[in-house]
This record gives sequence, structure tokens and C-alpha cells, in this order.
Amino acid sequence: AQSVTQLDSQVPVFEEAPVELRCNYSSSVSVYLFWYVQYPNQGLQLLLKYLSGSTLVESINGFEAEFNKSQTSFHLRKPSVHISDTAEYFCAVSVVGGYNKLIFGAGTRLAVHP
Amino acid sequence: GAVVSQHPSWVICKSGTSVKIECRSLDFQATTMFWYRQFPKQSLMLMATSNEGSKATYEQGVEKDKFLINHASLTLSTLTVTSAHPEDSSFYICSAATIGTGMNTEAFFGQGTRLTVV
Repeated sequence: AQSVTQLDSQVPVFEEAPVELRCNYSSSVSVYLFWYVQYPNQGLQLLLKYLSGSTLVESINGFEAEFNKSQTSFHLRKPSVHISDTAEYFCAVSVVGGYNKLIFGAGTRLAVHP
Repeated sequence: GAVVSQHPSWVICKSGTSVKIECRSLDFQATTMFWYRQFPKQSLMLMATSNEGSKATYEQGVEKDKFLINHASLTLSTLTVTSAHPEDSSFYICSAATIGTGMNTEAFFGQGTRLTVV
């Protein structure tokens, strides 16, 4: 079975500061890794994903995540956050060939303050 | 592309009644759809996997007689909450799996349905 641990339930940060949201996973088989963002009362939006190849993946809005197999981690980072980045962020895994059945972490609430 | 639409976006119903939520893939065919439930300030928990033309597969602890899932076509899956009670109030989200790419690497989510049972 797979599991996902997001170590921080809440991360407060000031605008333009860097941020890292931590994610660790456990799996005995190969997985794909995802970060999703959820704004209040909305569904999920895919932020970025790791499937294979380069371990560093980037999103169009400045976020990046690095897959570290030895540490079974997929931490999300942004060098300078904006107020509009305030949201809930979910790390998730799916088993390769498992047809997109996602296992989610508990989520991290990113609160960006002016 | 890859748009998933959920309807309704919110619904309020009386205790004891049934509510149907629709999940549609608008521009692709999805042989598999997933239904998740999210309680306030919590993560998404997979309820069931819906396969077109066959019975849904429910996760442990999810009552299949209470949460009826139908996946009658490649673009539509429905979740019916039967005899709803206040504890069923939650945010329900569906996702659909892409097909035809050979990789099936991404699930696309609907916008969610906020159910409130009074």
C-alpha cells in the first residue's frame, strides 16, 4: 500500500519570501508524484507532476518540486510567494500503471501574509 | 482539453432524501472515474472507483448501498447519496482518467459538489 505524509499542516509566510512544503511518500512499487492546489470551495488543480526523467519539475507559476528517491520525498518550493498563492496544497501519489487512483496527503495550508 | 464537469456545485437537502451528483468528462472518454470525499479542513479520501459498464469498486468502510455509483457511459458517472443524513455533509469530488495515451498519467478533477444535509 502507498501512503503520503505532509509534515506541515500549516505554513505561514510573508509575501516575497521563499517557501518549502514538505512531502514524503511510502511505496513498495514505482509511483508517479503530484502536487495539487485547492482554492476555497473549489476543486483541485494540478500544479506539477513527476513521471520519469529529470527529477526537478516546474510549474508555470514559479513552483518547483524535486523527486528524491533515496529520501522518498517530493518537496514543493517557490523562491518568492505572492498573496495569491494562499491555498491548500496536496501531495499525491499514484502507482505506475494504476490508472490514476490517487492517494493524497493530509494537505498543507499555505498562508501568505503581506 | 481534458475538462471534467461536476453538477451540481452545491446542494442542500433534507435528511432522509437522496441526492444525485453527476460527473462528466466533456472532451474525452473516461473508462474510469474516481469519487472522493473531503471533510472540512481534511484531505481527500477515495470512496470508490467507477468503471464504465461494470460495478464500482468501493474502498473499505464505504457503504455501497448508501453511495450508489453508476457509470453508464464513457463520459458520465453518477454518485447518489441515498437516505442522506447530516453526517454525509461533505465536499464530493470526482476525477476521470485519460485513455488512449498508453500512459494514463494524470487524473482530471471536477470542481466538486458541496452537499449539506439539514
